Amino acid sequence: EAQVTQNPRYLITVTGKKLTVTCSQNMNHEYMSWYRQDPGLGLRQIYYSMNVEVTDKGDVPEGYKVSRKEKRNFPLILESPSPNQTSLYFCASSLSLGNQPQHFGDGTRLSIL
Amino acid sequence: AQSVAQPEDQVNVAEGNPLTVKCTYSVSGNPYLFWYVQYPNRGLQFLLKYITGDNLVKGSYGFEAEFNKSQTSFHLKKPSALVSDSALYFCAVRDYYNQAGTALIFGKGTTLSVSS
Repeated sequence: EAQVTQNPRYLITVTGKKLTVTCSQNMNHEYMSWYRQDPGLGLRQIYYSMNVEVTDKGDVPEGYKVSRKEKRNFPLILESPSPNQTSLYFCASSLSLGNQPQHFGDGTRLSIL
Repeated sequence: AQSVAQPEDQVNVAEGNPLTVKCTYSVSGNPYLFWYVQYPNRGLQFLLKYITGDNLVKGSYGFEAEFNKSQTSFHLKKPSALVSDSALYFCAVRDYYNQAGTALIFGKGTTLSVSS
């Protein structure tokens, strides 16, 4: 089954404790992206990757890091999480950047205390 | 700069009635337009897209959307609503001529509530 898999689905942690949210897709997609969803703000892009070893900042990259060492994986790293990063996070992938629809994971709800 | 507006936070409709969820957009070039639906505790699911051609686009689950260039709108419609259509709906846009490095820009979402 074609899917984007995120782990963990839920995480409660404390300020400053490094965490990684994993994202993996099995569709051989080139383009992958991370979004955060906050009430009243819709989805905002954090980082994206056009292909392996090619990543770039989205609209809200502060406090986040990503890597793309393999085509299928695109982890999101919070080196020193803060409470303002409490949010619902989505990973998405698509065949390419153009007019292809994006496939979304089921989300990761992070709570930073 | 690209932007998307969904002017209604919530739309309420009775089952069997037609529904419309509104979306207007702003891009400097030609738009790629998308509608996604989000059910509770799930990621966004693609419904339909407009790239070029026929202004009326048909998508999944009986939904359709009408592209109107002069009004810069891309409203989502369905002739007969179902209770199972109740969800959060997002409109999104990408500028055709500014693809490199641009995300889909999402609206804030519209909650559709269909009553039985």
